[in-house]
Amino acid sequence: DAKTTQPNSMESNEEEPVHLPCNHSTISGTDYIHWYRQLPSQGPEYVIHGLTSNVNNRMASLAIAEDRKSSTLILHRATLRDAAVYYCILRDNYGQNFVFGPGTRLSVLP
Amino acid sequence: NAGVTQTPKFRVLKTGQSMTLLCAQDMNHEYMYWYRQDPGMGLRLIHYSVGEGTTAKGEVPDGYNVSRLKKQNFLLGLESAAPSQTSVYFCASSYLGARPYTFGSGTRLTVV
Repeated sequence: DAKTTQPNSMESNEEEPVHLPCNHSTISGTDYIHWYRQLPSQGPEYVIHGLTSNVNNRMASLAIAEDRKSSTLILHRATLRDAAVYYCILRDNYGQNFVFGPGTRLSVLP
Repeated sequence: NAGVTQTPKFRVLKTGQSMTLLCAQDMNHEYMYWYRQDPGMGLRLIHYSVGEGTTAKGEVPDGYNVSRLKKQNFLLGLESAAPSQTSVYFCASSYLGARPYTFGSGTRLTVV
């Protein structure tokens, strides 16, 4: 499975937008980009995923670079409840498992 | 909606004891997975299954066995627990292809 790299930690102020970057320079044409987050003492939860085009849902937006070698998860207005570890993962249609790195620990300051 | 249910939620074992962790999903997912997460670390895949009656090794399979006798259940067994297996164990399931995972809430296992 192709690897991703993310910053270890980021900080944001409440009510401000947050841009969480992810590099995946070895991504293949069939790899989807998935984002999950893990709140303290909980299992990871799905946030969003995409292939080539930018994606929006009620939780976040996903911006994918034109060459697909990087992507950015956008939280439009951070709340204290968004403080979590965010994982960027690649998976293709034939892939049978995800590889989770250490993710980015997001702190949200009131 | 139940989603993915893991039992038990907590367990303390003595070194050398055995136990089985149960994962049950009610979403008719084909794929199921067992991960472990050590403090401050990401998740590491132990074993996975792509359908009833199938299992395969992941990144860290040693010391664990699994079975998928029914599509909705995925069992993780520790035959002889060791302190190095102290961790939080997460089960997940998904449909075929690049569909998102659904995770359970985890089992916190301590081996003393």
